[in-house]
Amino acid sequence: AQSVTQLGSHVSVSEGALVLLRCNYSSSVPPYLFWYVQYPNQGLQLLLKYTTGATLVKGINGFEAEFKKSETSFHLTKPSAHMSDAAEYFCAVRTNTGNQFYFGTGTSLTVIP
Amino acid sequence: ETGVTQSPTHLIKTRGQQVTLRCSSQSGHNTVSWYQQALGQGPQFIFQYYREEENGRGNFPPRFSGLQFPNYSSELNVNALELDDSALYLCASSPRAGGPAETQYFGPGTRLLVL
Repeated sequence: AQSVTQLGSHVSVSEGALVLLRCNYSSSVPPYLFWYVQYPNQGLQLLLKYTTGATLVKGINGFEAEFKKSETSFHLTKPSAHMSDAAEYFCAVRTNTGNQFYFGTGTSLTVIP
Repeated sequence: ETGVTQSPTHLIKTRGQQVTLRCSSQSGHNTVSWYQQALGQGPQFIFQYYREEENGRGNFPPRFSGLQFPNYSSELNVNALELDDSALYLCASSPRAGGPAETQYFGPGTRLLVL
């Protein structure tokens, strides 16, 4: 079975500071990994995804994530936080043996001016 | 290109009632998945439809049922509503050709409140 753990349900950073949102997954087969962002009263928007190939994945709005198989991690980073980054972030895993996403419980990012 | 749309945006029902939620998939997408997102939680997979057939189901009771129509739009039906069914219901569509690596595109959701 697959599962996702997001460490830290709430993260606060100052504007301009590094953003680091943690995601660890459990999967018995090679995973496909996704990060989604959810703004208040909206659906989920894809930030980036890892399927195969290069383990450092770049996404929209300056975000990137690195797939580390040995650590079963897919942490999301952004060098410099912007006020508009304040939102809920979800990590998700999927495999080629199933057709559903398994989401983490989310991390709420607050950006302090 | 029109994205995923859902209706209604908000809904209030009482316990024991039945509800139908609707979803129009993004143009060119033939696969629709439904998720339940309780307050403060991540989305939980309910089921997926592909070419009008159920193509996978999460850990939800049979009173959660669905349909997909020839135009790939979809409905989620919930019978005998319970208080715990209060949640944001999200619909996501994807083109089947890409398989599990394919991105799912989410609609804005329907917020259901059961009193």
